[in-house]
Amino acid sequence: SQQGEEDPQALSIQEGENATMNCSYKTSINNLQWYRQNSGRGLVHLILIRSNEREKHSGRLRVTLDTSKKSSSLLITASRAADTASYFCATDLIMDTGRRALTFGSGTRLQVQP
Amino acid sequence: KAGVTQTPRYLIKTRGQQVTLSCSPISGHRSVSWYQQTPGQGLQFLFEYFSETQRNKGNFPGRFSGRQFSNSRSEMNVSTLELGDSALYLCASSPDRPKPNTEAFFGQGTRLTVV
Repeated sequence: SQQGEEDPQALSIQEGENATMNCSYKTSINNLQWYRQNSGRGLVHLILIRSNEREKHSGRLRVTLDTSKKSSSLLITASRAADTASYFCATDLIMDTGRRALTFGSGTRLQVQP
Repeated sequence: KAGVTQTPRYLIKTRGQQVTLSCSPISGHRSVSWYQQTPGQGLQFLFEYFSETQRNKGNFPGRFSGRQFSNSRSEMNVSTLELGDSALYLCASSPDRPKPNTEAFFGQGTRLTVV
């Protein structure tokens, strides 16, 4: 089952605009991570935010985390056509085994029009 | 440093056959996890290996198995293939046992098509 759910499912914007993606999750977490995936390829780690952090920046990326609402957002500023990809949030969910595993949301497909 | 290497990149198999996929983690990484990605179910955790032992397992049938070798390379095997096993299989490595606040490094995946 999915721990995180991203919204929107798809987003289309013009180059230069900002893109905001949201992620909601269900259980308590140690951290939340965002990954990017170009079509049919592997995932690239973008940023990790710990449960005791509220905001984190990395280049044009800004991530916020609200543990009271169990939600996170990823903001990409001044988007470029090369940012076109799917973006996933991931959290460490405790499995039936009692051990944690990285669990991904359903993803947001971002299309940046040149 | 070379990244995570998965082979083969593409594979076509027939229903009922079995398949073995390979993953070489980043040099020095000892933890390998496998994920299945399909349009319908998204990214789902299969299993995690560390020090040649399966440490964690997702909700997949016993047809899905794996192993890890002393050099940390890992293989996963799917027996009696079904059409629904068609997916992108992704491998991720981490330096040590996945702990809170560590990132995973992913390979490019193996695209398996079952016909």
